[in-house]
Amino acid sequence: DAGITQSPRHKVTETGTPVTLRCHQTENHRYMYWYRQDPGHGLRLIHYSYGVKDTDKGEVSDGYSVSRSKTEDFLLTLESATSSQTSVYFCASRPGQSNEKLFFGSGTQLSVL
Amino acid sequence: GDSVTQMEGPVTLSEEAFLTINCTYTATGYPSLFWYVQYPGEGLQLLLKATKADDKGSNKGFEATYRKETTSFHLEKGSVQVSDSAVYFCALIDSNYQLIWGAGTKLIIKP
Repeated sequence: DAGITQSPRHKVTETGTPVTLRCHQTENHRYMYWYRQDPGHGLRLIHYSYGVKDTDKGEVSDGYSVSRSKTEDFLLTLESATSSQTSVYFCASRPGQSNEKLFFGSGTQLSVL
Repeated sequence: GDSVTQMEGPVTLSEEAFLTINCTYTATGYPSLFWYVQYPGEGLQLLLKATKADDKGSNKGFEATYRKETTSFHLEKGSVQVSDSAVYFCALIDSNYQLIWGAGTKLIIKP
C-alpha cells in the first residue's frame, strides 16, 4: 500500500495555540486530503489538494488552513485551536481524480484543552 | 446533495455469526460504491467496491451488491471472526470525484 505517514500521532494543546499537522506520502500521488473523524459523523473533508500549491476547501474548512509546497507533503494548520477541533485527523491520497481508491495514513489524535 | 446512510452501531455478534451492515445512498446518477474498513488504531483501507448496478464486490469473505432499485449496498459476511472487529464505512464517489462517507458502523465480534 501507499506510504503515507502522519505526524505527530498524538498531540495535546491548549485553546488558542496554533497547531500544524504533517502528512508525507512517498507515492507521488497528485491528490491529497485532510479529513476529521468524529463519532456519529464519519469522515468530513477539511481541505484537499490537487497539485503543488493547488488547494481547495472541503465541507468543514473554517478554522483550518493547508499548504502544499511539495508533491509529497501536505500540512494542515489550526490557526487558533478550539476545543471543537478535538478530533482524529486523517490524511489520504490518491494518484489522480479518476483513481477512486484512497490511501490513508494512520491518523493524528488531537486534544485541545 | 449526495449522501450515504449506514445502520447505527455498535453491532455485536458472536464468532461464526452471519453479518449484515446496511447501507443506502442518495445520489445523482449511478456512482461507484465502496466499503472501507478501519481496524483499531489504523487508518481506513478499501475493503471492496462496485462500479455499476448489479456488480458484486468481494474481498476477505465480505460481499456487497450494488442494488440500483433499492439504492443499497449492504455489506455481508457468512461467518465472522474476532479479527473482523473494526469500524466499517460505506461511501460513494460523487460527480466531482469526491468521496461521500457514511457515519461508520462499529462491529464487535465476541469469541
